Amino acid sequence: EVQLVETGGGLVQPGKSLKLTCATSGFTFSTAWMHWVRQSPEKRLEWIARIKDKSNNYATDYVESVKGRFTISRDDSKSSVYLQMNSLKEEDTATYYCTGSWFAYWGQGTLVTVSS
Amino acid sequence: DIQMTQSPSFLSATVGDRVTINCKASQNINKYLNWYQQKLGEAPKRLIYNTNSLQTGIPSRFSGSGSGTDYTLTISSLQPEDVATYFCLQHNSGNTFGAGTKLELK
Repeated sequence: EVQLVETGGGLVQPGKSLKLTCATSGFTFSTAWMHWVRQSPEKRLEWIARIKDKSNNYATDYVESVKGRFTISRDDSKSSVYLQMNSLKEEDTATYYCTGSWFAYWGQGTLVTVSS
Repeated sequence: DIQMTQSPSFLSATVGDRVTINCKASQNINKYLNWYQQKLGEAPKRLIYNTNSLQTGIPSRFSGSGSGTDYTLTISSLQPEDVATYFCLQHNSGNTFGAGTKLELK
């Protein structure tokens, strides 16, 4: 059974940092391109980051609004993907999902609330 | 960046109805279009990938079609369990979601 479990969300003040973790199992993680997608309180879905596999040099890409603030990374030995979020803004408030294998598999999401 | 225009935003239909939801891309996306169903409090679930390939385990009443810039999700006979919000996703150039279609029973 495929499982993706996101952890690390919570309430954080503007300007602070948070790191999300997505632990996976049940599929070949090492060859999967992994993504983070967020869903705003208004329920809009937004792709925010992608990391390719080792054969593609773990290349990363980001939506413009998070470039320079967020970093996606992965640990194939742990079948996990991460999202380091710095300089958080109120508009980053959302449920964050990890997804992989051409957006076939999704976690249950973790809520990040940025507020003073 | 490719923009996705999804319509309608809201849809009310009766059990047994044929339902169609549309997504229009701002440029050709070469059939790299997925459809998702999201029920309240759950993660999105992939129904259709690459325009018309049915995800394993998804009922055959769901189908997808389209090419170029115009794509359609069809539910051939609406069932009560289909009440949800539906999203399209283009993954041809970058990754862009449609704004969603909220489907309810009349």
